[in-house]
Amino acid sequence: SQQGEEDPQALSIQEGENATMNCSYKTSINNLQWYRQNSGRGLVHLILIRSNEREKHSGRLRVTLDTSKKSSSLLITASRAADTASYFCATGTGGGNKLTFGTGTQLKVEL
Amino acid sequence: NAGVTQTPKFQVLKTGQSMTLQCAQDMNHNSMYWYRQDPGMGLRLIYYSASEGTTDKGEVPNGYNVSRLNKREFSLRLESAAPSQTSVYFCASIPQGTNTGELFFGEGSRLTVL
Repeated sequence: SQQGEEDPQALSIQEGENATMNCSYKTSINNLQWYRQNSGRGLVHLILIRSNEREKHSGRLRVTLDTSKKSSSLLITASRAADTASYFCATGTGGGNKLTFGTGTQLKVEL
Repeated sequence: NAGVTQTPKFQVLKTGQSMTLQCAQDMNHNSMYWYRQDPGMGLRLIYYSASEGTTDKGEVPNGYNVSRLNKREFSLRLESAAPSQTSVYFCASIPQGTNTGELFFGEGSRLTVL
């Protein structure tokens, strides 16, 4: 069963705008990660936030985690056309380093 | 460093045929994984190998077998392919000694079963 659900499923914005996508999950987690997937390519890791962290930044990315609501958000500031991709959240829930992925948000950044 | 390499990139099979998807990583990673990706379903874990010599089932293991040949290589075998196995398959690995680390993915193998 899917652990994470991203919202929205698709998002279209203009270059320079901010993009926010959300992830909700069902069970307790050790960490939550966000990945990007360009069309026809493999997934690339963007950022990891641990269950005892509330916010994390990496360049133009800002991730928040609310364990009480079992949700996370990914904010991409000043978006660029090159940010056009699918974005997935993934949760780690214990040993074995197994991640459970959500269904993804398709982001389109238009010039 | 090539990272995670998957072969073949594309394959078309007929129902009932068998094939093996190959995966190799040159990063000295301990753990390796096979996921499948279907539209609207995200990625689902098929099998994983925490270390050389061990394999475990993931969420959707039925119809698949795996072999952890050595530390570098982790193969996925379809013994009798079915149309429901049409998917994009991703191999991934994780660095040694990492308890909460990031996955490194290959570029995917696109399989169509007719």
